[in-house]
Amino acid sequence: DGGITQSPKYLFRKEGQNVTLSCEQNLNHDAMYWYRQDPGQGLRLIYYSQIVNDFQKGDIAEGYSVSREKKESFPLTVTSAQKNPTAFYLCASTAARDSLNEKLFFGSGTQLSVL
Amino acid sequence: GEDVEQSLFLSVREGDSSVINCTYTDSSSTYLYWYKQEPGAGLQLLTYIFSNMDMKQDQRLTVLLNKKDKHLSLRIADTQTGDSAIYFCAERSQAGTALIFGKGTTLSVSS
Repeated sequence: DGGITQSPKYLFRKEGQNVTLSCEQNLNHDAMYWYRQDPGQGLRLIYYSQIVNDFQKGDIAEGYSVSREKKESFPLTVTSAQKNPTAFYLCASTAARDSLNEKLFFGSGTQLSVL
Repeated sequence: GEDVEQSLFLSVREGDSSVINCTYTDSSSTYLYWYKQEPGAGLQLLTYIFSNMDMKQDQRLTVLLNKKDKHLSLRIADTQTGDSAIYFCAERSQAGTALIFGKGTTLSVSS
């Protein structure tokens, strides 16, 4: 079955540590996104990529980094510069790179907590 | 800037209708979406409406769009306990490169 896989489901970070969240899709989608979800805050866009080897900052990119070396993969690194990383992280993708009807498909999320 | 607003909570009894409301600010919005999130899971697309439509019906779901007032609503008929979830309104503007989401409305259904 096609879909988006995020791993791990739960992740713990020690102070000063970088951690990487995995996102893989086999939907042949061009565009991929990372959102952060905090209780009562909705979804906020961290980074997005519309094509391989290219990505753009979203609204809250500080303290995060991404890469898009392959179409299927869009890993997110939470760096030590991100002082409040505890949140639920959601990866999404869409086939419609240039279309206005952008139906997003989401992964099941990664809950990151600080030790 | 673009903004999407929703009320945070709605509580209904099983069998009643639920109406979740959303307002948006970007008049160039082309498509508007409703997503559903169950606890500990990602978001699933429920339905969407193109900005030149007033209404769209899909089984128990009815979406109403008032473009003049920039108001979107989702009506769930015969609400069931399985409908308990967070519902997100989202817009896609012509100028935007990604969807803009509201903060989500938590729907609680009691039996």
